[in-house]
Amino acid sequence: DAGITQSPRHKVTETGTPVTLRCHQTENHRYMYWYRQDPGHGLRLIHYSYGVKDTDKGEVSDGYSVSRSKTEDFLLTLESATSSQTSVYFCAITFGTSGNYEQYFGPGTRLTVT
Amino acid sequence: EDQVTQSPEALRLQEGESSSLNCSYTVSGLRGLFWYRQDPGKGPEFLFTLYSAGEEKEKERLKATLTKKESFLHITAPKPEDSATYLCASGGTSYGKLTFGQGTILTVHP
Repeated sequence: DAGITQSPRHKVTETGTPVTLRCHQTENHRYMYWYRQDPGHGLRLIHYSYGVKDTDKGEVSDGYSVSRSKTEDFLLTLESATSSQTSVYFCAITFGTSGNYEQYFGPGTRLTVT
Repeated sequence: EDQVTQSPEALRLQEGESSSLNCSYTVSGLRGLFWYRQDPGKGPEFLFTLYSAGEEKEKERLKATLTKKESFLHITAPKPEDSATYLCASGGTSYGKLTFGQGTILTVHP
């Protein structure tokens, strides 16, 4: 158990509304990641963080922003949700100090945009 | 661009019937090859990390191996509880950015 929680676990929202997903970890890990998982595409990296206020884009970052004001929380925001952002979102952490180690995943958030 | 391809997409086995899953990767500067298990409705669960060609790791009925272009996940005498989606991922850049394959759905029938 990597001590990762995600909230909410399920959310249905309407197109055009803002949505924020939260990832919380309890063990002061430096590196945190947001992925989305879709049939036919597998897991794809959205954004990642390598410290408080230090974030960078992944391969599918358009339409998403992130913030990390505390070590334990990494927030993913959809400024104006679209139907193409319907997906399962996973947060992950790594225990390593350089980031080049295995990642451990949270339970996921299922987001439906109608 | 890093690429990871898994085959087959789906595999059905009878209990006790051993087999292998394949993960082919193209990465500039491999920093690790990772195997995960994912059950429906849950997050991926870490299984193994392999760092260099020739390396092998085992856990219960699973054994992962690595060559310069491929990794295999061997399942010996599988049981129904081994049914899951198995994912592999390559780490080829800094900050731990992983490239995932699309997974192999394994079903083991009693």
